[in-house]
Amino acid sequence: EAGVAQSPRYKIIEKRQSVAFWCNPISGHATLYWYQQILGQGPKLLIQFQNNGVVDDSQLPKDRFSAERLKGVDSTLKIQPAKLEDSAVYLCASSPWTGSYEQYFGPGTRLTVT
Amino acid sequence: EDKVVQSPLSLVVHEGDTVTLNCSYEVTNFRSLLWYKQEKKAPTFLFMLTSSGIEKKSGRLSSILDKKELSSILNITATQTGDSAIYLCAILPQGGSEKLVFGKGTKLTVNP
Repeated sequence: EAGVAQSPRYKIIEKRQSVAFWCNPISGHATLYWYQQILGQGPKLLIQFQNNGVVDDSQLPKDRFSAERLKGVDSTLKIQPAKLEDSAVYLCASSPWTGSYEQYFGPGTRLTVT
Repeated sequence: EDKVVQSPLSLVVHEGDTVTLNCSYEVTNFRSLLWYKQEKKAPTFLFMLTSSGIEKKSGRLSSILDKKELSSILNITATQTGDSAIYLCAILPQGGSEKLVFGKGTKLTVNP
């Protein structure tokens, strides 16, 4: 079974630039999560999708972050404009259904904002 | 607000040592506590604990939940260099979006 795929693996941008991350969950998984993990911290949930609908985006900084999951499969997370404090690893995870403990994580994208 | 606190934040041991990692939590409606191992980027699932006092075991790793003390421990016996990683504890609350709330993790370094 193929795992969660993410790209790019690394990205370096200057502040005020835009960036987008892509995630392809495990086939058949209805729930998709985007986490932000700042160095020395645990992952923090940014947004959770159930199919193509948003379940929770309470911790997403909506003035600069946006995410979509068209057709309930792949998802993109965008930051526009980026700030220095956005430097982090962005992890995508998927699970068979909301509330399932079986969250499978992708390899993550390490973003550095200079 | 749901909260998870892990201790110690970092730990350095020698191969063969036994280590105990701690996790305490505050949550409005508890459903489960989970342990993950994070070696490079992607956390990988280790254990899920729901019932108090029942030990989960996988090889040299074991974990137990104490609901009365709102805590859990993760034990690793006969540590190996391959156990070097960040160990994350998370709680899965009941109700709402049921999102995982992670602690900061314990960074374990096992030296040969």
